[in-house]
Amino acid sequence: ETGVTQTPRHLVMGMTNKKSLKCEQHLGHNAMYWYKQSAKKPLELMFVYNFKEQTENNSVPSRFSPECPNSSHLFLHLHTLQPEDSALYLCASSQSSGGAYEQYFGPGTRLTVT
Amino acid sequence: QQQVKQSPQSLIVQKGGISIINCAYENTAFDYFPWYQQFPGKGPALLIAIRPDVSEKKEGRFTISFNKSAKQFSLHIMDSQPGDSATYFCAAGQNNAGNMLTFGGGTRLMVKP
Repeated sequence: ETGVTQTPRHLVMGMTNKKSLKCEQHLGHNAMYWYKQSAKKPLELMFVYNFKEQTENNSVPSRFSPECPNSSHLFLHLHTLQPEDSALYLCASSQSSGGAYEQYFGPGTRLTVT
Repeated sequence: QQQVKQSPQSLIVQKGGISIINCAYENTAFDYFPWYQQFPGKGPALLIAIRPDVSEKKEGRFTISFNKSAKQFSLHIMDSQPGDSATYFCAAGQNNAGNMLTFGGGTRLMVKP
């Protein structure tokens, strides 16, 4: 285990549903990330939070809404998704300063939009 | 624009052979180059990383070779084992961009017994 947990591991939702993905890290890190991993595409960075503040939004559609209530928890709220949003959504954490780039990933949530 | 290009997309190696995966980058401000290993159903896990002040780093059967002038780096897996079968991602980070990483497209490695 990497110290980063994600729930649920699998999610099937319709295009009109609202759901949330949860990430929790037990590593004492203060930066957290959401990535999208689609088949045959590089890992796509979606959002970055440092000390609970969003510092990066990589032109993500508004149907994805992140929330970071504290340095240990990160949520991704989903609504009115499209079938092309089906992917593996990965959460990661790291230290946020001192050139510490090592990111630790959770196992991901496999999302299927029907 | 993909700033880190990884090749090959897939690789088949016999057990005991050497697996070589290459990455090229464009941004000369990158100063940290990690490799991640991902097994099916798992998230990527940091395997080994290098900074540009050295040309090679070895950890067990895994070696990173770094060529700053060519803006290329590669992962060598010596004595490849079936348990090494996974997808490998290279990445690059730069200090003045916070702690974000730019990932390559991934290489699916299969080691045949």
